[in-house]
Amino acid sequence: AQSVSQHNHHVILSEAASLELGCNYSYGGTVNLFWYVQYPGQHLQLLLKYFSGDPLVKGIKGFEAEFIKSKFSFNLRKPSVQWSDTAEYFCAVSLYSGGGADGLTFGKGTHLIIQP
Amino acid sequence: GAVVSQHPSWVICKSGTSVKIECRSLDFQATTMFWYRQFPKQSLMLMATSNEGSKATYEQGVEKDKFLINHASLTLSTLTVTSAHPEDSSFYICSARDPGQGINEQFFGPGTRLTVL
Repeated sequence: AQSVSQHNHHVILSEAASLELGCNYSYGGTVNLFWYVQYPGQHLQLLLKYFSGDPLVKGIKGFEAEFIKSKFSFNLRKPSVQWSDTAEYFCAVSLYSGGGADGLTFGKGTHLIIQP
Repeated sequence: GAVVSQHPSWVICKSGTSVKIECRSLDFQATTMFWYRQFPKQSLMLMATSNEGSKATYEQGVEKDKFLINHASLTLSTLTVTSAHPEDSSFYICSARDPGQGINEQFFGPGTRLTVL
């Protein structure tokens, strides 16, 4: 079974700092990769996704992620964070089985706190 | 577009009772919906895949007789927690796949917090 590992469980940054959250997955086949954000008291929102093509994907709110197949990684980045980026971030993987993607396997999440 | 709702948003019940949670796709037809469970300060765990008109597929370790899933229409899937116990207290989240926006993307509902006393 596939698994997803997020390297940092808690990250504290100051506003305007650069952000990189690590994500590695274990599966050798075709995968779809996602980053979701969960703001306090709200439901999951999709930040960005990778299905195929350009390994550098851009999402909402200035986030981007790079798929490096050789490293089984899909790290999330943002050049300059804002206080409003305080949230829980989840990396997720789904397998592509031809007839459609399976359910998602999530990493344990990274709690990001941005200090003003 | 691609809005998923859940009802109720929270429920408190006594041990031994059954609770039904609804998941609806409001502006699209979802042939496939997924049910997840999230414990406090933990990640989401896939419980089952719900396919319209057929039996749900459960993940290993999830009791199908305890967590009954019914996907009776293209816009509604229900999860019934039968004979609930305090250890079933959790946050239950559904998601739905919108074929019109690519078969690989899921849209999440706001979740249902279940507390079993």
